[in-house]
Amino acid sequence: DAKTTQPTSMDCAEGRAANLPCNHSTISGNEYVYWYRQIHSQGPQYIIHGLKNNETNEMASLIITEDRKSSTLILPHATLRDTAVYYCIVRDFNQAGTALIFGKGTTLSVSS
Amino acid sequence: DSGVTQTPKHLITATGQRVTLRCSPRSGDLSVYWYQQSLDQGLQFLIQYYNGEERAKGNILERFSAQQFPDLHSELNLSSLELGDSALYFCASSGGQDLYEQYFGPGTRLTVT
Repeated sequence: DAKTTQPTSMDCAEGRAANLPCNHSTISGNEYVYWYRQIHSQGPQYIIHGLKNNETNEMASLIITEDRKSSTLILPHATLRDTAVYYCIVRDFNQAGTALIFGKGTTLSVSS
Repeated sequence: DSGVTQTPKHLITATGQRVTLRCSPRSGDLSVYWYQQSLDQGLQFLIQYYNGEERAKGNILERFSAQQFPDLHSELNLSSLELGDSALYFCASSGGQDLYEQYFGPGTRLTVT
């Protein structure tokens, strides 16, 4: 898997958009970008994944740059319950059924 | 609720002992993964089973073993426990219609004293 680089921590005011960046400069053509989050000591939770087009679901939006070397996870209206560690993971298409390799992620703190 | 269940939620035991952690995957999921999360190591993959057979191994110690039963539930056995085995142990499942996503259980917190 390609390596990812994320900031260690970020802060966000409640109600504002949280934009979490991820660099994956060595990503290859078959590799997807996945985002998971872990709310304190709970099991990680899948958020979204994408290949090259921007993706949106009920939880978040994923913006992938045209060169695919970086991406941004957007939580449009952050709430206190979005405080968590967010993991950006790059995985090959053919590894869909294999284990996830977690880095250190970004700790997002949402405050009122 | 991810649909993955793990028991027990908490486990406190002494060094040298053996424990068994249990996981029931989401209905229809054939793959089960075990992960360990300790303060200093982060989330680490231990082992994966697919439809009853071992599929992949990660950083699993020889003192640890796992199996997946015909009804697809899985058990992680930890023996000769050491203080450093204290951690959160998560089970995840995938397969069925959501091949790209893994669904994690709530975890078992193991404390070795």
